[in-house]
Formats: sequence, structure tokens, C-alpha cells
Amino acid sequence: KQEVTQIPAALSVPEGENLVLNCSFTDSAIYNLQWFRQDPGKGLTSLLLIQSSQREQTSGRLNASLDKSSGRSTLYIAASQPGDSATYLCAVFNAGNNRKLIWGLGTSLAVNP
Amino acid sequence: DVKVTQSSRYLVKRTGEKVFLECVQDMDHENMFWYRQDPGLGLRLIYFSYDVKMKEKGDIPEGYSVSREKKERFSLILESASTNQTSMYLCASTFLDRASEQYFGPGTRLTVT
Repeated sequence: KQEVTQIPAALSVPEGENLVLNCSFTDSAIYNLQWFRQDPGKGLTSLLLIQSSQREQTSGRLNASLDKSSGRSTLYIAASQPGDSATYLCAVFNAGNNRKLIWGLGTSLAVNP
Repeated sequence: DVKVTQSSRYLVKRTGEKVFLECVQDMDHENMFWYRQDPGLGLRLIYFSYDVKMKEKGDIPEGYSVSREKKERFSLILESASTNQTSMYLCASTFLDRASEQYFGPGTRLTVT
């Protein structure tokens, strides 16, 4: 059964720091891995989608990597800003019979001015 | 821009009431999803629909039903609301490939008293 874990659950950093959020999954049979952002009390916004055949994706200050064989992904945020404060969720889309997104619980990020 | 809207941001209902949550998307997406999100449990899939009048149960369908009479609209129905259905409800949609990027609505915070 696929399980997705995000560590740490919460992170607080000063503005300007580069930081890494981690996501691990137990079954490498995935179609893709997706990173989302959620502001308090709001819906989710898709940040990056990495296909299983890809190693990384970049969007602005965000870079997501995928190592399928080791069941790991990282989301790198460069030069963090207070506006980056949010919860970041990772989800993998399972291959095989159970074709759906499996979600992590998220990392709550606070970037302090 | 893809837009997914939900009928209410906040809703307060009494135990035993019938509750309708509506979701509308404007991008002609085939797939639509209903999730609930609870602290410590993350996002859990209630139902999804891959076409008009077609639906599949997710992980936690008990106590819920859905309706999709038009492609752009997906309704979640709580037949007899209970306090354990107090939660944040999120609607999402994707193109034909359900592994593609999911677009979320702003969420409905439902409180059942």
C-alpha cells in the first residue's frame, strides 16, 4: 500500500534562506509526483508535476526533483520570502490498479521577515 | 485560467439536515473529485466522476452521495449530516487523464452542530 511521508511537519526560516522540503513514498510504481501549496483556509494550488520518467522540474524559484528508485522527492525553494509561508503538500499518482493520488500530510512553512 | 468554484466558503448545518455542496469548473474537464481534509488525516477522496452521470467511490464514500448531471457541475450530498462530517471539503478537476494536474476550488468549511 502506497504511503507518502513529508518531513518535517513544520519549518520556520528567516527570509532569504534557501530551503528544502522532503517527500518520500513507499512504492515506486507511480505515474507522477505533484507538489501543491495551500494557504490557510484555502484550496490547493498546483506548483509542479514531475512525470515518473523525469528527474526534475523548475518553476521560478522552485525546483522539484524526483528519485523514483529511492522513493524520494525534494522541493527546493530559493531565496525564500514571507509570501512563501504556506503548507506544501506532496502527492504521488499511483500506477497499477489503484490509480489515484496518494497524499502526504504536508509541511507547514513559515518564512519570517 | 482554469477556474473551479464552490458554492459556499462557510456553511453551518444541523445534525440530520440534507446538505448540498456544489462545484463548477469552466475548463471542460472530464474528471471531477470531492475530497475532505482533516487535521492529521490529510486529504481523503470521497467520490470522483469521469463523465456525466458516471461516478466511482473513493476511500470514504459512506454517508455521502454525488450527482453529475452536467459536465461542468459536480455536487456532493450529505443525506443526513452528522457531526463527524464537520470538515473542509475540496473539489478538484482534471482533463481526461486523471493523472494530470489537479485544479482545486477554494474549499467549503462545513460545520455540523
